[in-house]
Amino acid sequence: KAGVTQTPRYLIKTRGQQVTLSCSPISGHRSVSWYQQTPGQGLQFLFEYFSETQRNKGNFPGRFSGRQFSNSRSEMNVSTLELGDSALYLCASSLATLNTGELFFGEGSRLTVL
Amino acid sequence: KNEVEQSPQNLTAQEGEFITINCSYSVGISALHWLQQHPGGGIVSLFMLSSGKKKHGRLIATINIQEKHSSLHITASHPRDSAVYICAVSEAGGTSYGKLTFGQGTILTVHP
Repeated sequence: KAGVTQTPRYLIKTRGQQVTLSCSPISGHRSVSWYQQTPGQGLQFLFEYFSETQRNKGNFPGRFSGRQFSNSRSEMNVSTLELGDSALYLCASSLATLNTGELFFGEGSRLTVL
Repeated sequence: KNEVEQSPQNLTAQEGEFITINCSYSVGISALHWLQQHPGGGIVSLFMLSSGKKKHGRLIATINIQEKHSSLHITASHPRDSAVYICAVSEAGGTSYGKLTFGQGTILTVHP
């Protein structure tokens, strides 16, 4: 069974550009969550999608957005990139039922903003 | 807002030692996760628990809901256990499984 796949794994952008990251969940998982990890702030929750609907959003500016498609694949977009957006972006998928909320993480997309 | 505190922040052990990492949180939760992160970034979920105790191989996780505290134990530690261990919680009352508040992580180094 394939795991959670994130693309691209590494990317370099310059300030002001925008970036789109992709996450393909484990087959059958309808919930996808996104997280940002930086040395200063650690891991922080960005947003969660379930059946194409955003269920929760973390405390991030509107430059951070996402969506989920009917096949459960999810994308997140960051517009007008800032130096502080340099981070490892992780996604995780889940069956999201009462007894099976375990999260399965991808390897992450490492974004460097110059 | 939930605050999650882990201790210790850094832990060095000799191979074979028994290791304990602690996690405390401030408000009620629906579940607590223990995660492992190796250099390179990938995160693996070790345990998800809402009460009691779980065991998987040499790893044991316990949680005390009344005291808002959880521990992760590693018996007979091995150098391959060297990693960052992260505690994360989802708050009570919601249906979200992905909205987590994370601890700062514990860096574990096990020497041969």
